Amino acid sequence: GESVGLHLPTLSVQEGDNSIINCAYSNSASDYFIWYKQESGKGPQFIIDIRSNMDKRQGQRVTVLLNKTVKHLSLQIAATQPGDSAVYFCAEPTFSGYSTLTFGKGTMLLVSP
Amino acid sequence: DTGVSQNPRHKITKRGQNVTFRCDPISEHNRLYWYRQTLGQGPEFLTYFQNEAQLEKSRLLSDRFSAERPKGSFSTLEIQRTEQGDSAMYLCASSLVSGLANEKLFFGSGTQLSVL
Repeated sequence: GESVGLHLPTLSVQEGDNSIINCAYSNSASDYFIWYKQESGKGPQFIIDIRSNMDKRQGQRVTVLLNKTVKHLSLQIAATQPGDSAVYFCAEPTFSGYSTLTFGKGTMLLVSP
Repeated sequence: DTGVSQNPRHKITKRGQNVTFRCDPISEHNRLYWYRQTLGQGPEFLTYFQNEAQLEKSRLLSDRFSAERPKGSFSTLEIQRTEQGDSAMYLCASSLVSGLANEKLFFGSGTQLSVL
């Protein structure tokens, strides 16, 4: 079936390093992807999204890269800060109507000072 | 605070009891979603409303689960005859859908349910 998944369950980095969180998807027809950040005790928070007609999109300290050939997307966080410590999920619409989201399993990012 | 609000934050109940959670979405958001999340997993879709109409329900939503959004504003999720497997974080999200723009979901902090 269609699924969104992550390669690494935990990523530990030092403050100031750049972080890269990866996500693989299986539905080649998917045309929209979203990254969410979830801090402990809170709900997921929208970070950045990308449509399939783009390969790259940049936000504030974050960049999402989409490789449709290998069905892979990544979230890059520049100059990682302790406040970036959280679980990061990639998600895609479950159906073409975008009425629901399917989330991947998540990657825990741990930032050491 | 103008975000999505969920109450209670935590609920501990005994197996077999009924529980009800409430979600107050961001005002003027026309869609409201319920998701369930277990430890180490991503949120799983349960159901959603557009205004007061419940448009979609997941296969995860057993007959013991019922959700309402009577006036198109707040929503309640009730679980009857709770089971230990119902223990999870129940997340509510809302969005404003207009035209063809991709909608962005705004999540509340969730209700953590523990069934003993």
